[in-house]
Amino acid sequence: KQEVTQIPAALSVPEGENLVLNCSFTDSAIYNLQWFRQDPGKGLTSLLLIQSSQREQTSGRLNASLDKSSGRSTLYIAASQPGDSATYLCAGPNYGGSQGNLIFGKGTKLSVKP
Amino acid sequence: SQTIHQWPATLVQPVGSPLSLECTVEGTSNPNLYWYRQAAGRGLQLLFYSVGIGQISSEVPQNLSASRPQDRQFILSSKKLLLSDSGFYLCAWTPTRPGNTIYFGEGSWLTVV
Repeated sequence: KQEVTQIPAALSVPEGENLVLNCSFTDSAIYNLQWFRQDPGKGLTSLLLIQSSQREQTSGRLNASLDKSSGRSTLYIAASQPGDSATYLCAGPNYGGSQGNLIFGKGTKLSVKP
Repeated sequence: SQTIHQWPATLVQPVGSPLSLECTVEGTSNPNLYWYRQAAGRGLQLLFYSVGIGQISSEVPQNLSASRPQDRQFILSSKKLLLSDSGFYLCAWTPTRPGNTIYFGEGSWLTVV
């Protein structure tokens, strides 16, 4: 069964800093990996979906990479802003289930201080 | 465009009472539907998913059940709540065709007292 781990569990940075969030997974046969953002007490918002045939995806100041051989994905946030403060979760598919059957990491809680 | 709604947003229920959380999706047809739970200190865990009306798959044994009476309606229920049922419940949907992202509702906070 797929296992997903995220480190660090929490991160605090000053505004403007570039930062990297890490996600590791155990099953390298992963066919996609997703990054989500969760604001306190809210649902999840999908940020980036990387298919196994892709190495990275970009959306604005966000860039996510996928390295299947090492079982790792990173989310890079450029020029961080206080509005980026949230919990970031990565998720990979749970094999044998439908496409929304995902295994989530526990998340990295990001705090960007002005 | 597609939207997903779930309610109620917050619920405080006594132990032993019943539960009904509802979720509806608009702007699409034949979606795959999901109920996830996020408990304190734990990651998101898939509870149920459905690929069609009346088709429910359970991922973990528990005190809860799910039903899909209509194509775009998904209901999470319990006959008698336990303290351990407390948590943040999220409904989600994906298109039937593979390779797409998953869309989550705003969540329902359940506190069992």
